[in-house]
Amino acid sequence: SQKIEQNSEALNIQEGKTATLTCNYTNYSPAYLQWYRQDPGRGPVFLLLIRENEKEKRKERLKVTFDTTLKQSLFHITASQPADSATYLCALDTGGFKTIFGAGTRLFVKA
Amino acid sequence: SQTIHQWPATLVQPVGSPLSLECTVEGTSNPNLYWYRQAAGRGLQLLFYSVGIGQISSEVPQNLSASRPQDRQFILSSKKLLLSDSGFYLCAYTAPPRQGNYGYTFGSGTRLTVV
Repeated sequence: SQKIEQNSEALNIQEGKTATLTCNYTNYSPAYLQWYRQDPGRGPVFLLLIRENEKEKRKERLKVTFDTTLKQSLFHITASQPADSATYLCALDTGGFKTIFGAGTRLFVKA
Repeated sequence: SQTIHQWPATLVQPVGSPLSLECTVEGTSNPNLYWYRQAAGRGLQLLFYSVGIGQISSEVPQNLSASRPQDRQFILSSKKLLLSDSGFYLCAYTAPPRQGNYGYTFGSGTRLTVV
């Protein structure tokens, strides 16, 4: 069956450091991979989308990589700030209507 | 600009009572609409999606139903709630065609507690 895995343990880092979150998947060939931010009690907010033929995508302090051979995406936040503390979800998308979302990884950035 | 409204924000309902959650989208025509449920520590579960008025696809068989009476209105309903229906319900949309550098736009969610 199709699986998408994110580290269920929270990631704690110091302000100013780079946070790296991992998303692994199996039995799936996504056309796109997406990353979202979710704050407690709120809906997810779309951050970045990367296509299967793209290796890397950047947006301000965010960087996403996509390795279809390893079936893995890495999400980086450089110069992290306490305001970056949230849960980050990855999602696999074949371009149809059935996107699969991971459970998310909680990030805590300490001042 | 495009926005999505979802209400109510929180709801406490007794077992066996009916349910109606509403979602409306502004600023786009013919959106693809979705209802997701999020359980604590788990990924979002797709419940229903709709590509047009009156067109509903169900992903998970259960005692929930969805309707799309207008182009930008999506309703999630139940005739009799179960305890297992408790969760965080999210409405979302994508603007067709589903390509490009954008993902889903989610509403603010409804926290449903069935008691």
